[in-house]
Amino acid sequence: AQKITQTQPGMFVQEKEAVTLDCTYDTSDPSYGLFWYKQPSSGEMIFLIYQGSYDQQNATEGRYSLNFQKARKSANLVISASQLGDSAMYFCAMREGSEYGNKLVFGAGTILRVKS
Amino acid sequence: NAGVTQTPKFQVLKTGQSMTLQCAQDMNHEYMSWYRQDPGMGLRLIHYSVGAGITDQGEVPNGYNVSRSTTEDFPLRLLSAAPSQTSVYFCASSYRTDEKLFFGSGTQLSVL
Repeated sequence: AQKITQTQPGMFVQEKEAVTLDCTYDTSDPSYGLFWYKQPSSGEMIFLIYQGSYDQQNATEGRYSLNFQKARKSANLVISASQLGDSAMYFCAMREGSEYGNKLVFGAGTILRVKS
Repeated sequence: NAGVTQTPKFQVLKTGQSMTLQCAQDMNHEYMSWYRQDPGMGLRLIHYSVGAGITDQGEVPNGYNVSRSTTEDFPLRLLSAAPSQTSVYFCASSYRTDEKLFFGSGTQLSVL
């Protein structure tokens, strides 16, 4: 079974509107962490936001927020007030457990295009 | 303020050749790892290390070797390159397991 599923291969959003990128995960470990990374066309991986499984509040970082629904095993990224510079590939990733090493499992990604 | 430095940025190999991708970090991070990125598949973990002298296999370790003699360096060796190893390779590091990974800028490798 896929550990991380991103069902939207591509998304379009109008500039200044909000957009939600979907991510569902599969784990039986009670301790895990969820990450979102942005990869612009230049290729670098840029960290956006992190949510721990025991965190009580949904994570927020500026225009990024994580809609964490633990029972549904979903961790959707919400980008508010989209900008042209938000056009990129977005990856959801999960770390299982808190043990040995910081090993992430990545989803296949969602390409976001912001229209002016 | 270098962060994670990968070299080279681009490399073309012939089938059967060997080479080493270099990775160095200056943040005193314990954890380092190598990922490969293939189209439509996201990033997959090749090998990782939790400190000097300690390494372990990730999801796709075959055909690759690693060692960690210092905290700073984590080279990835391709033993006998194959076309299936054509990919973009990322090195990453972090201080703790619940912290974000810092990624290098990547190495685009083509094996002919």
